[in-house]
Amino acid sequence: GENVEQHPSTLSVQEGDSAVIKCTYSDSASNYFPWYKQELGKGPQLIIDIRSNVGEKKDQRIAVTLNKTAKHFSLHITETQPEDSAVYFCAAIKSTGGYNKLIFGAGTRLAVHP
Amino acid sequence: DTEVTQTPKHLVMGMTNKKSLKCEQHMGHRAMYWYKQKAKKPPELMFVYSYEKLSINESVPSRFSPECPNSSLLNLHLHALQPEDSALYLCASSQNTGLNTGELFFGEGSRLTVL
Repeated sequence: GENVEQHPSTLSVQEGDSAVIKCTYSDSASNYFPWYKQELGKGPQLIIDIRSNVGEKKDQRIAVTLNKTAKHFSLHITETQPEDSAVYFCAAIKSTGGYNKLIFGAGTRLAVHP
Repeated sequence: DTEVTQTPKHLVMGMTNKKSLKCEQHMGHRAMYWYKQKAKKPPELMFVYSYEKLSINESVPSRFSPECPNSSLLNLHLHALQPEDSALYLCASSQNTGLNTGELFFGEGSRLTVL
């Protein structure tokens, strides 16, 4: 079955620096990879996603890259700001019993220091 | 602002109590989900409803009982819980269970404490 590993578990950067979070997945049939941001006391919010037919997607300061051969995908945040501080979860789809469900990575706690 | 609304935001209950968590969405989504999230952990799937029918039960103990009265509402009935059931309970919805056709929207969660 699908397994998603996420690294690092914590990441501390200075404001303005870039941050990179990496995930690997095991099921080559997975074809959808969302990234969620969870701020303290709130539910996870989708920030960007990528499907297996593209290698890269960008939305302002955030971008995601996907390497299907190596089965890994990464989140890149440029020009980090204090409001980027949160826990970030990657996920991949697992098909089970005719239904798809998301398998989440363990999460990365990002701290952006002013 | 999230378009998935959960009530209550906080709930404290004893092990003999019966309580319910409620979730509502008006995006026309036909799939609704309950997740459980412990501190510093990712969300764990509990139940999936598709077109108001229970599609997935991730071997959740019977002290948690889901209900989907209509396509916009999802309840989680709680009875005889244990202290280890204390967690953030997240409701989510999506257009359908295909997921790869659209995103999963989460509510803000209901933080449950079992004494």
